[in-house]
Amino acid sequence: NAGVTQTPKFQVLKTGQSMTLQCAQDMNHEYMSWYRQDPGMGLRLIHYSVGAGITDQGEVPNGYNVSRSTTEDFPLRLLSAAPSQTSVYFCASRATRALSYGYTFGSGTRLTVV
Amino acid sequence: AQKITQTQPGMFVQEKEAVTLDCTYDTSDQSYGLFWYKQPSSGEMIFLIYQGSYDEQNATEGRYSLNFQKARKSANLVISASQLGDSAMYFCAMTPGVSNSGYALNFGKGTSLLVTP
Repeated sequence: NAGVTQTPKFQVLKTGQSMTLQCAQDMNHEYMSWYRQDPGMGLRLIHYSVGAGITDQGEVPNGYNVSRSTTEDFPLRLLSAAPSQTSVYFCASRATRALSYGYTFGSGTRLTVV
Repeated sequence: AQKITQTQPGMFVQEKEAVTLDCTYDTSDQSYGLFWYKQPSSGEMIFLIYQGSYDEQNATEGRYSLNFQKARKSANLVISASQLGDSAMYFCAMTPGVSNSGYALNFGKGTSLLVTP
């Protein structure tokens, strides 16, 4: 099925460990973005990309790195995990045509840092 | 910078009645897009409806309509004939620009809606 695929769905990390959250879409969307969702905070933008090779920071970028080498993939890297990064992470994408099609979200990754 | 405010942390509505979820926004952009998303307890984000800042008519999608009042900077979601399956968290969001320039979303903190029999 066409859409946004996030892996893994669940992950437990120890403080200081690194990991990569994967995000892939097969809709040829140019725009991709990462969000974190914390209780009572809504979703906050971490990083976004408007095309392969182009990324930029969002509202809460500290502790996270991204790269976009292909249109399809937009991985999010945690270099040294901290308990404050315990959250649910969502990846989203959209096409460059009309916004009325909305942004398509992945199913999320629930990350716990102990 | 854009800011979205949802002032209702929780709402109750009886089945088959209509409910309005409030959303106000603040932006200096002339061109922007407004969205509503539904997040059921299963966690996925479901796109409901979109309104562009230059759209003269309010958006409608089935039982969902967006009451867009540009001068008041409000974009309230109206759900008609509520169903038990409408129980979920609802997020208002906006993006700067329309068409190609809306690169990502700014979200409000959400409203939890509970539909009772």
